[in-house]
Amino acid sequence: NAGVMQNPRHLVRRRGQEARLRCSPMKGHSHVYWYRQLPEEGLKFMVYLQKENIIDESGMPKERFSAEFPKEGPSILRIQQVVRGDSAAYFCASSPKMDSREQYFGPGTRLTVT
Amino acid sequence: AQTVTQSQPEMSVQEAETVTLSCTYDTSESDYYLFWYKQPPSRQMILVIRQEAYKQQNATENRFSVNFQKAAKSFSLKISDSQLGDAAMYFCAYRSEGAGSYQLTFGKGTKLSVIP
Repeated sequence: NAGVMQNPRHLVRRRGQEARLRCSPMKGHSHVYWYRQLPEEGLKFMVYLQKENIIDESGMPKERFSAEFPKEGPSILRIQQVVRGDSAAYFCASSPKMDSREQYFGPGTRLTVT
Repeated sequence: AQTVTQSQPEMSVQEAETVTLSCTYDTSESDYYLFWYKQPPSRQMILVIRQEAYKQQNATENRFSVNFQKAAKSFSLKISDSQLGDAAMYFCAYRSEGAGSYQLTFGKGTKLSVIP
């Protein structure tokens, strides 16, 4: 009964490169949420996706960031032309339905931009 | 918009003693959930305890209990018989209840140290 999987756990990118973060939800879960944790901060909501649909991307920066959750395969958070300010921990959570009481978190991906 | 405030950036407790972490929140809603999450050095977010706002009884999970004061919008976490493994960041979180509600709002966290 695997939990939420995220990979890679650590990712180092130079400024200007692209970062791709992957999230496989728990089995039976079709709702995925991405959160970002900046240093010394709590987690902040970025985007909510269902299979093949972006439901709410109100927390996503307007430029360079995109997310998808295809019919097959993991959800991807993509950051183009990374800058030092993108350095953070990115967490994915999943739930079986939208208004489930709990969201189950993955271990996070720590992105470092050099 | 809802906000969650944790006014104690750091706390420490002696092993086997009791410690209380504070959390206040601001909302105009009457139905919602409150959570405490633990984040150890591994950074994995672990759900510690959950409270439904409509329940008057305070939630408990083994050594963890909450003091939920709805009128005061306060939601503190009490850890009894503290253990070394309790050392972590603790985050208070809020989520609305009902159809279309999914976004968790987190406080900035409290770093708990346990002294042997």
